Amino acid sequence: GDSVTQTEGLVTLTKGLPVMLNCTYQTTYSPFLFWYVQHLNEAPKLLLKSSTDNKRTEHQGFYATLHKSSSSFHLQKSSVQLSDSALYFCALSDGNNNNAPRFGAGTKLSVKP
Amino acid sequence: AQTIHQWPVAEIKAVGSPLSLGCTIKGKSSPNLYWYWQATGGTLQQLFYSITVGQVESVVQLNLSASRPKDDQFILSTEKLLLSHSGFYLCAWSLTGTSDYTFGSGTRLLVI
Repeated sequence: GDSVTQTEGLVTLTKGLPVMLNCTYQTTYSPFLFWYVQHLNEAPKLLLKSSTDNKRTEHQGFYATLHKSSSSFHLQKSSVQLSDSALYFCALSDGNNNNAPRFGAGTKLSVKP
Repeated sequence: AQTIHQWPVAEIKAVGSPLSLGCTIKGKSSPNLYWYWQATGGTLQQLFYSITVGQVESVVQLNLSASRPKDDQFILSTEKLLLSHSGFYLCAWSLTGTSDYTFGSGTRLLVI
Protein backbone atom coordinates (compact mmCIF):
# COMPACT_ATOMS: atom_id res chain seq x y z
CA GLY A 1 0.00 0.00 0.00
CA ASP A 2 0.87 3.67 -0.06
CA SER A 3 3.36 4.96 2.46
CA VAL A 4 5.28 8.12 3.31
CA THR A 5 8.59 8.08 5.15
CA GLN A 6 10.13 10.99 7.00
CA THR A 7 13.43 9.85 8.41
CA GLU A 8 14.13 12.66 10.87
CA GLY A 9 12.02 12.93 13.97
CA LEU A 10 13.74 16.06 15.22
CA VAL A 11 15.97 18.56 13.46
CA THR A 12 17.65 21.27 15.52
CA LEU A 13 19.36 24.15 13.75
CA THR A 14 20.73 27.59 14.43
CA LYS A 15 18.94 30.52 12.83
CA GLY A 16 20.25 31.43 9.38
CA LEU A 17 21.41 27.93 8.42
CA PRO A 18 19.92 25.90 5.56
CA VAL A 19 17.65 22.94 6.18
CA MET A 20 16.46 19.90 4.28
CA LEU A 21 13.69 17.68 5.61
CA ASN A 22 13.53 14.31 3.91
CA CYS A 23 10.43 12.74 2.45
CA THR A 24 10.17 9.58 0.37
CA TYR A 25 7.06 7.78 -0.68
CA GLN A 26 5.69 4.57 -2.14
CA THR A 27 2.67 4.29 -4.37
CA THR A 28 1.60 2.42 -7.46
CA TYR A 29 -0.55 5.35 -8.59
CA SER A 30 0.26 8.79 -9.90
CA PRO A 31 1.42 10.72 -6.82
CA PHE A 32 0.42 14.13 -5.48
CA LEU A 33 2.78 15.27 -2.73
CA PHE A 34 2.21 17.85 -0.02
CA TRP A 35 4.10 19.51 2.78
CA TYR A 36 2.05 20.72 5.73
CA VAL A 37 3.35 22.84 8.60
CA GLN A 38 1.85 22.75 12.07
CA HIS A 39 2.81 25.34 14.65
CA LEU A 40 2.28 24.63 18.31
CA ASN A 41 -1.40 24.32 19.25
CA GLU A 42 -2.52 25.08 15.72
CA ALA A 43 -3.99 23.06 12.87
CA PRO A 44 -1.78 21.93 9.98
CA LYS A 45 -1.57 24.34 7.07
CA LEU A 46 -0.62 23.57 3.51
CA LEU A 47 2.88 24.77 2.68
CA LEU A 48 3.62 23.23 -0.71
CA LYS A 49 2.14 20.77 -3.14
CA SER A 50 3.19 19.18 -6.41
CA SER A 51 2.35 16.47 -8.88
CA THR A 52 4.77 17.57 -11.61
CA ASP A 53 7.96 15.62 -11.97
CA ASN A 54 11.23 17.57 -11.64
CA LYS A 55 9.55 20.94 -11.19
CA ARG A 56 10.50 23.06 -8.17
CA THR A 57 7.63 24.53 -6.19
CA GLU A 58 8.14 27.36 -3.70
CA HIS A 59 6.22 29.13 -0.96
CA GLN A 60 7.24 31.37 1.94
CA GLY A 61 10.93 30.71 1.31
CA PHE A 62 10.49 26.93 1.37
CA TYR A 63 10.90 24.85 -1.78
CA ALA A 64 10.64 21.25 -2.89
CA THR A 65 10.98 19.26 -6.10
CA LEU A 66 9.09 16.08 -6.80
CA HIS A 67 11.43 13.44 -8.18
CA LYS A 68 9.46 10.44 -9.33
CA SER A 69 12.63 8.55 -10.25
CA SER A 70 13.68 8.50 -6.60
CA SER A 71 10.17 8.81 -5.09
CA SER A 72 11.23 11.86 -3.12
CA PHE A 73 9.87 15.28 -2.21
CA HIS A 74 12.39 16.83 0.19
CA LEU A 75 11.61 20.20 1.78
CA GLN A 76 14.35 22.83 1.79
CA LYS A 77 14.97 26.36 2.93
CA SER A 78 18.18 28.30 2.48
CA SER A 79 18.03 30.20 5.76
CA VAL A 80 15.78 29.15 8.62
CA GLN A 81 14.17 31.63 10.99
CA LEU A 82 13.00 31.25 14.58
CA SER A 83 9.41 31.34 13.34
CA ASP A 84 10.05 28.22 11.25
CA SER A 85 10.07 26.11 14.41
CA ALA A 86 7.14 23.74 13.91
CA LEU A 87 6.09 20.21 13.02
CA TYR A 88 6.38 19.43 9.30
CA PHE A 89 4.40 16.68 7.64
CA CYS A 90 4.94 15.22 4.22
CA ALA A 91 1.79 13.73 2.72
CA LEU A 92 0.88 11.66 -0.31
CA SER A 93 -2.36 11.58 -2.24
CA ASP A 94 -2.83 9.31 -5.21
CA GLY A 95 -6.45 10.19 -5.90
CA ASN A 96 -7.38 6.68 -4.89
CA ASN A 97 -7.68 6.86 -1.11
CA ASN A 98 -10.91 8.92 -0.91
CA ASN A 99 -8.74 11.90 -1.94
CA ALA A 100 -7.33 12.10 1.57
CA PRO A 101 -3.55 12.43 1.87
CA ARG A 102 -1.63 9.81 3.81
CA PHE A 103 0.70 11.58 6.25
CA GLY A 104 4.23 10.79 7.26
CA ALA A 105 5.27 10.62 10.90
CA GLY A 106 6.33 14.25 10.89
CA THR A 107 9.60 16.09 11.54
CA LYS A 108 9.91 18.58 14.33
CA LEU A 109 12.08 21.52 13.31
CA SER A 110 13.55 23.48 16.20
CA VAL A 111 15.41 26.68 15.33
CA LYS A 112 17.72 28.17 17.98
CA PRO A 113 18.92 31.80 18.15
CA ALA B 1 -15.04 32.17 0.57
CA GLN B 2 -15.33 28.80 2.19
CA THR B 3 -14.89 28.42 5.94
CA ILE B 4 -14.57 25.39 8.19
CA HIS B 5 -15.62 25.63 11.81
CA GLN B 6 -15.07 23.07 14.55
CA TRP B 7 -16.66 22.97 17.97
CA PRO B 8 -15.92 22.92 20.80
CA VAL B 9 -12.41 24.37 20.82
CA ALA B 10 -11.44 22.23 23.80
CA GLU B 11 -13.00 19.73 26.18
CA ILE B 12 -12.09 18.03 29.43
CA LYS B 13 -14.19 14.91 29.93
CA ALA B 14 -14.33 12.00 32.33
CA VAL B 15 -13.61 8.42 31.29
CA GLY B 16 -16.88 6.71 30.38
CA SER B 17 -18.71 9.91 29.51
CA PRO B 18 -20.17 10.60 26.03
CA LEU B 19 -18.62 12.92 23.47
CA SER B 20 -19.83 14.82 20.45
CA LEU B 21 -17.57 16.96 18.26
CA GLY B 22 -18.83 18.98 15.35
CA CYS B 23 -17.56 20.36 12.07
CA THR B 24 -19.34 22.70 9.66
CA ILE B 25 -18.29 23.79 6.19
CA LYS B 26 -19.68 26.94 4.67
CA GLY B 27 -19.31 28.16 1.12
CA LYS B 28 -18.93 24.79 -0.61
CA SER B 29 -21.56 22.31 -1.64
CA SER B 30 -21.01 18.55 -1.47
CA PRO B 31 -17.49 18.62 -0.04
CA ASN B 32 -15.61 15.49 0.98
CA LEU B 33 -15.26 15.59 4.75
CA TYR B 34 -12.70 13.88 6.98
CA TRP B 35 -11.94 13.36 10.65
CA TYR B 36 -8.36 13.03 11.84
CA TRP B 37 -6.88 12.34 15.27
CA GLN B 38 -3.47 13.45 16.45
CA ALA B 39 -1.67 12.51 19.66
CA THR B 40 0.52 15.29 21.06
CA GLY B 41 3.44 15.74 18.66
CA GLY B 42 2.28 12.74 16.66
CA THR B 43 1.21 12.10 13.13
CA LEU B 44 -2.27 12.60 11.68
CA GLN B 45 -4.39 9.48 11.73
CA GLN B 46 -7.42 9.51 9.46
CA LEU B 47 -10.51 8.20 11.26
CA PHE B 48 -13.50 8.67 8.96
CA TYR B 49 -14.45 10.20 5.65
CA SER B 50 -17.70 11.12 3.98
CA ILE B 51 -18.37 11.85 0.34
CA THR B 52 -22.06 12.58 0.66
CA VAL B 53 -24.84 13.14 3.19
CA GLY B 54 -25.71 10.06 5.19
CA GLN B 55 -22.66 8.10 4.07
CA VAL B 56 -19.63 7.67 6.28
CA GLU B 57 -16.72 5.30 5.80
CA SER B 58 -14.48 4.20 8.65
CA VAL B 59 -10.70 4.11 8.24
CA VAL B 60 -9.73 3.51 11.88
CA GLN B 61 -12.52 3.42 14.42
CA LEU B 62 -10.84 3.77 17.81
CA ASN B 63 -14.26 3.16 19.47
CA LEU B 64 -15.62 6.28 17.80
CA SER B 65 -18.39 6.84 15.28
CA ALA B 66 -19.15 9.56 12.76
CA SER B 67 -22.22 10.85 11.02
CA ARG B 68 -23.04 13.33 8.29
CA PRO B 69 -26.58 14.54 8.96
CA LYS B 70 -26.35 17.49 6.55
CA ASP B 71 -24.26 18.32 3.50
CA ASP B 72 -22.24 20.85 5.47
CA GLN B 73 -21.98 19.01 8.80
CA PHE B 74 -19.80 16.18 10.10
CA ILE B 75 -20.14 14.83 13.65
CA LEU B 76 -17.71 12.65 15.61
CA SER B 77 -19.04 10.92 18.70
CA THR B 78 -18.78 8.14 21.22
CA GLU B 79 -20.96 6.97 24.07
CA LYS B 80 -18.05 6.06 26.32
CA LEU B 81 -14.75 7.87 26.33
CA LEU B 82 -11.46 6.12 27.01
CA LEU B 83 -8.23 7.67 28.26
CA SER B 84 -6.74 6.88 24.85
CA HIS B 85 -9.21 9.24 23.19
CA SER B 86 -7.25 12.23 24.45
CA GLY B 87 -5.67 14.21 21.66
CA PHE B 88 -6.32 16.73 18.92
CA TYR B 89 -9.26 16.12 16.59
CA LEU B 90 -9.18 17.75 13.20
CA CYS B 91 -11.86 18.04 10.57
CA ALA B 92 -10.85 18.61 6.96
CA TRP B 93 -12.51 19.06 3.61
CA SER B 94 -11.72 18.68 -0.05
CA LEU B 95 -13.55 18.68 -3.35
CA THR B 96 -13.81 15.49 -5.31
CA GLY B 97 -11.21 15.29 -8.03
CA THR B 98 -9.10 18.16 -6.69
CA SER B 99 -6.08 18.15 -4.45
CA ASP B 100 -7.13 21.07 -2.25
CA TYR B 101 -7.38 19.81 1.31
CA THR B 102 -8.02 22.18 4.24
CA PHE B 103 -8.10 21.57 7.99
CA GLY B 104 -10.32 23.17 10.58
CA SER B 105 -8.80 24.68 13.71
CA GLY B 106 -9.31 21.49 15.71
CA THR B 107 -10.71 20.38 19.05
CA ARG B 108 -8.34 19.54 21.87
CA LEU B 109 -9.72 16.74 24.07
CA LEU B 110 -8.42 15.64 27.45
CA VAL B 111 -9.96 12.56 29.00
CA ILE B 112 -9.35 12.15 32.73
